[in-house]
Amino acid sequence: QVHLVESGGGVVQAGRSLRLSCAASGFSFSSYGMHWVRQAPGKGLEWVAVIWYDGSKKYYADSVKGRFTISRDNSKNTLYLQMDSLRVDDTAVYSCAIPLNSAWSFDYWGQGTLVTVSS
Amino acid sequence: QAALTQPASVSGSPGQSITISCTGTSSDVGGYNYVSWCQQHPDKAPKVIIFDVSSRPSGVSNRFSGSKSGNTASLTISGLQAEDEADYYCSSYTSSNTVLFGGGTKLTVL
Repeated sequence: QVHLVESGGGVVQAGRSLRLSCAASGFSFSSYGMHWVRQAPGKGLEWVAVIWYDGSKKYYADSVKGRFTISRDNSKNTLYLQMDSLRVDDTAVYSCAIPLNSAWSFDYWGQGTLVTVSS
Repeated sequence: QAALTQPASVSGSPGQSITISCTGTSSDVGGYNYVSWCQQHPDKAPKVIIFDVSSRPSGVSNRFSGSKSGNTASLTISGLQAEDEADYYCSSYTSSNTVLFGGGTKLTVL
């Protein structure tokens, strides 16, 4: 079955960088676009970025545009999120999600990885 | 990119029906049939219950239904059960090839 496992979270100072990974299994990874979604502690869901199945197109939320970069390695079935110039308000659980039923749904989620940005 | 508008909370008694609204604009909810709804229990990953406005994934109870009129989408839960108590989020594709989520609605089963 579909399995998504995020890693790479931790505590980092504001202004520094962090790279998250999402290891995927149980489906044809190279056939689907992938999303990153985040949730700040006690807050709602916020969409972060999407990448096309072949990496040809990438789109970002305004709040992270120019600071975050989504990428993928289809040979490793892995999705990435490079986060630069981190801010305190980037603190959140970051989850990867895959749209299997529809191009813009979030059908399977990982458990997420916590990123804490300190001042 | 303002979030889609959802009521902060709704409540209902077991067996009743409730409806959660999700209001956007013609550039998102009103312009495309790509509205989804997720259910999230505390400390759990979200689970999609409706996609493409009104489609249900395999395994999701038919007590959950979705619809849309103009710039407002709606999630209806009929025959309310205690296990339905959770946070519910709508999301929509936008004309900028991005996604907007709603602020979330906390459902309390009385």
